[in-house]
Amino acid sequence: AQTVTQSQPEMSVQEAETVTLSCTYDTSESNYYLFWYKQPPSRQMILVIRQEAYKQQNATENRFSVNFQKAAKSFSLKISDSQLGDTAMYFCAFMKPSGTYKYIFGTGTRLKVLA
Amino acid sequence: DAGITQSPRHKVTETGTPVTLRCHQTENHRYMYWYRQDPGHGLRLIHYSYGVKDTDKGEVSDGYSVSRSKTEDFLLTLESATSSQTSVYFCAISGASGGETEAFFGQGTRLTVV
Repeated sequence: AQTVTQSQPEMSVQEAETVTLSCTYDTSESNYYLFWYKQPPSRQMILVIRQEAYKQQNATENRFSVNFQKAAKSFSLKISDSQLGDTAMYFCAFMKPSGTYKYIFGTGTRLKVLA
Repeated sequence: DAGITQSPRHKVTETGTPVTLRCHQTENHRYMYWYRQDPGHGLRLIHYSYGVKDTDKGEVSDGYSVSRSKTEDFLLTLESATSSQTSVYFCAISGASGGETEAFFGQGTRLTVV
């Protein structure tokens, strides 16, 4: 069974600085997808970025980028030029695109951006 | 925004009573999921559905049942609510088998069992 581990329960960063959130996962699959979701205080789950395992190039979305290390089963999220609106809970998730299509989530990292 | 609606948004119920949460989608997605979110545990899968009348258990299914009689509706029932089922419940949908890879989430339901 796949597992997703986020080892940083809480983090803080100064506004305009850069922060990296860690995520590791365990799977025997070779083809899968990884995601970072953001959950602000509104409780809504918002997709931040996705990565396809068969693509070596790291995904980027504006100020958000990932460092995908397939051999190490690591998928970290880097937020550049942090903004107050980035304050949220961040979840890492894994999905195998076959069979049941279940999404497995980590326990989350609560990020606070300080003014 | 994906068309997915959960109802109710908030509910307080007494221990031992049955509770049904509803998830409604307008995206015609095949896959639907129920998760619960608890501090320190992230999102844990309760049940999921891969088609009408096709459902299966997730990792925390004890005390819960589901039904999907139509593509657009996925119901989660707590047969006899307990305090340990106090949580925030999220419904999610996915068109993953059709090429879309991300899961879309409802707004969540905060359930309190007293």
